[in-house]
Amino acid sequence: SAVISQKPSRDICQRGTSLTIQCQVDSQVTMMFWYRQQPGQSLTLIATANQGSEATYESGFVIDKFPISRPNLTFSTLTVSNMSPEDSSIYLCSVDRTGSEEQFFGPGTRLTVL
Amino acid sequence: SQQGEEDPQALSIQEGENATMNCSYKTSINNLQWYRQNSGRGLVHLILIRSNEREKHSGRLRVTLDTSKKSSSLLITASRAADTASYFCATRAGSYQLTFGKGTKLSVIP
Repeated sequence: SAVISQKPSRDICQRGTSLTIQCQVDSQVTMMFWYRQQPGQSLTLIATANQGSEATYESGFVIDKFPISRPNLTFSTLTVSNMSPEDSSIYLCSVDRTGSEEQFFGPGTRLTVL
Repeated sequence: SQQGEEDPQALSIQEGENATMNCSYKTSINNLQWYRQNSGRGLVHLILIRSNEREKHSGRLRVTLDTSKKSSSLLITASRAADTASYFCATRAGSYQLTFGKGTKLSVIP
């Protein structure tokens, strides 16, 4: 399985500010995915990040609110912009295991917005 | 909208008992994956079953898939307190996207 790390593991932020979450993978992967898990809820895909191209956003998520970078095949960032308490969630990145359809997840970033 | 729906939403059993969780989905799939999440942390991949498979085993885990009923079940045998977690099914239908169910919260009482 891929080893995926995320920074920060948790943060408490003030409304109106922005937070950038980093995701690092120990091997090169084509696609990286960002998910949101609101309190007590399941996971929802925010966007898919391919290296060298713009991220593809799912319905209900926009680039201005969740800009994503993918500078190389092992790294991606997700920024949560102009935060409100409704953005309080766990944010997780994930990747497909090379040559497999199994998708592995990072440890998540728990964000609380006051 | 969510593809998978797990039931029950919550399950409480005694250590040593078996736990069964079910997942239903709505559209055709390529595969179905089960995950465990401890206390709101990252997801741990448990098992993947492809649409042409009916049953898979991994240690104390047994997963079945019935594509005619669009349903899957996860059985954990001889449960342990450490199995206490939320369990999610996720379906994949042709593309890279996983669609998650709402999850089952399992409590194993020592």
